Amino acid sequence: GEDVEQSLFLSVREGDSSVINCTYTDSSSTYLYWYKQEPGAGLQLLTYIFSNMDMKQDQRLTVLLNKKDKHLSLRIADTQTGDSAIYFCAEKGFQKLVFGTGTRLLVSP
Amino acid sequence: DADVTQTPRNRITKTGKRIMLECSQTKGHDRMYWYRQDPGLGLRLIYYSFDVKDINKGEISDGYSVSRQAQAKFSLSLESAIPNQTALYFCATSDYKDTDTQYFGPGTRLTVL
Repeated sequence: GEDVEQSLFLSVREGDSSVINCTYTDSSSTYLYWYKQEPGAGLQLLTYIFSNMDMKQDQRLTVLLNKKDKHLSLRIADTQTGDSAIYFCAEKGFQKLVFGTGTRLLVSP
Repeated sequence: DADVTQTPRNRITKTGKRIMLECSQTKGHDRMYWYRQDPGLGLRLIYYSFDVKDINKGEISDGYSVSRQAQAKFSLSLESAIPNQTALYFCATSDYKDTDTQYFGPGTRLTVL
């Protein structure tokens, strides 16, 4: 079945880069996503990558996809305190998205 | 105005009570979803609907029911609430084109005593 795994917690200092990792199981996924959840709010799409791409860059965000290892990562450059949130990885499965457990990113000054 | 709204935002109820959570959207999307979020478990899909006549069970549908009253409205009911249904509930919509991106409401925090 479809399954998505993430580490639960990451702590970085302001100005450093953050790397959030995710593994998934469905090799037929066409899209993979990163969502951000700020306190007291719903999830918002940060970025996505099509399965035939290896990398996607969007300002401070870089997404890397290793299809062979079914590994997805999100790198946030120059991490700011406003980046503190929960980040969810998701894969597009059959008829629905499958979300990971979420990684809580804590950015300290 | 927000594209996906949920009411109520917070609810405290007692074991055995019937509860309805409502979701409305102005995005014009056909697809709507209900999820629950628990710490350390991420988001789990309860039910989803691809149009007004279509209802599908997700991975944790036991103890829940849904109604798709219109394209824009999708409600979730707990017929007899129990304490382990205490969670944060999210409604989402998507338009099945290309990326099938989902758009989430702000959530309803439900506490069952």
